[in-house]
Amino acid sequence: DAGVTQSPTHLIKTRGQQVTLRCSPISGHKSVSWYQQVLGQGPQFIFQYYEKEERGRGNFPDRFSARQFPNYSSELNVNALLLGDSALYLCASSSPSPGTGDPMNTEAFFGQGTRLTVV
Amino acid sequence: AQSVTQLDSHVSVSEGTPVLLRCNYSSSYSPSLFWYVQHPNKGLQLLLKYTSAATLVKGINGFEAEFKKSETSFHLTKPSAHMSDAAEYFCVVSDRTGGFKTIFGAGTRLFVKA
Repeated sequence: DAGVTQSPTHLIKTRGQQVTLRCSPISGHKSVSWYQQVLGQGPQFIFQYYEKEERGRGNFPDRFSARQFPNYSSELNVNALLLGDSALYLCASSSPSPGTGDPMNTEAFFGQGTRLTVV
Repeated sequence: AQSVTQLDSHVSVSEGTPVLLRCNYSSSYSPSLFWYVQHPNKGLQLLLKYTSAATLVKGINGFEAEFKKSETSFHLTKPSAHMSDAAEYFCVVSDRTGGFKTIFGAGTRLFVKA
């Protein structure tokens, strides 16, 4: 089975531009989360989507937005890019706990990430 | 507010000796706690998770962690380090306060000497 796939793997953008990152979850997983990992730091939570609805949001500006499609794939959009947005963007998918439907208590499977460089 | 503090940014052990990676958390809800490992140029992988069942949790590759509510700690241990354990380790807390949130610690880099 394919794991979590992210595209593109690498991207270079100019300050002020907009970028869209894509994520395909593991088949059967209905929850997708996005993280930003700056070099030398732990991943920072951006969004969590479950059943196509936003269920959680981290402390990121409104320039960051996301959506989840009917097939549970997801896109992360970042507008008006800043140099500080340069990072590895990680997507993770998970499946709710049997019986509870709770997507928070289950293992998250991470993709390899998209390396975004803003120049 | 939720937070995770990994008390050591770097830990160095000799092969065959015990490993202790320390983690303290803060959460206003009954949290779920995880440890993930990140090997160089590889994706994050779950080592183990605590979700309000047994307080001593066993994970993959001989790792285990003990949830201590009174100390708000979730330290990761392994009796005997192997060279292949060298990696970055992240302590993670998830809860639903103010919506779903997952908070990663800053990470602990584990070095294993031959």
